[in-house]
Amino acid sequence: GQSLEQPSEVTAVEGAIVQINCTYQTSGFYGLSWYQQHDGGAPTFLSYNALDGLEETGRFSSFLSRSDSYGYLLLQELQMKDSASYFCAVIRSDSSYKLIFGSGTRLLVRP
Amino acid sequence: NAGVTQTPKFRVLKTGQSMTLLCAQDMNHEYMYWYRQDPGMGLRLIHYSVGEGTTAKGEVPDGYNVSRLKKQNFLLGLESAAPSQTSVYFCASSPGTAHGYTFGSGTRLTVV
Repeated sequence: GQSLEQPSEVTAVEGAIVQINCTYQTSGFYGLSWYQQHDGGAPTFLSYNALDGLEETGRFSSFLSRSDSYGYLLLQELQMKDSASYFCAVIRSDSSYKLIFGSGTRLLVRP
Repeated sequence: NAGVTQTPKFRVLKTGQSMTLLCAQDMNHEYMYWYRQDPGMGLRLIHYSVGEGTTAKGEVPDGYNVSRLKKQNFLLGLESAAPSQTSVYFCASSPGTAHGYTFGSGTRLTVV
């Protein structure tokens, strides 16, 4: 089987830094992706790690360690608009390119 | 660009009724997917297609059927709706790279 575990909820203060962790039990995947979803909206792509290490995209960074079966999303200079759900997902390396999602972390940013 | 368009956006069905959800993409993507999302949960893959004329089962295929007669369209059918199928359904397409999924805006289905 395959599973991805994330904390269900995280709260942080505007302007702060928050890290959302993702641990997984799966094999045979190209990489780890992160998606953001606001209430009532569709998931939107944030970041992707094909290799171990840190990827930076503006205020967002993502990290992957295959040896530890672990990744995280780091959000800096938090803004109120960052309040949303964040999902990690692996992309299967069979011919399907299927995305398998974690259960999501709800981030609440407080003033 | 329209991207991925889902119709309808909302629907209420009675138990036992049937319906078809339509997903259309204008990006010439080979790969298309149907997911369902239940409250407080991640997205679970129902069925997917790796090209025109092909379909395959995902994690939760029971009670659903799909067809991909044209490359740009991916249809999801419920033959006999059940309350357990109340959910938000998302369609997505991909060019077949390791990233680059585009999601539709979703269909909110309630089965009473």
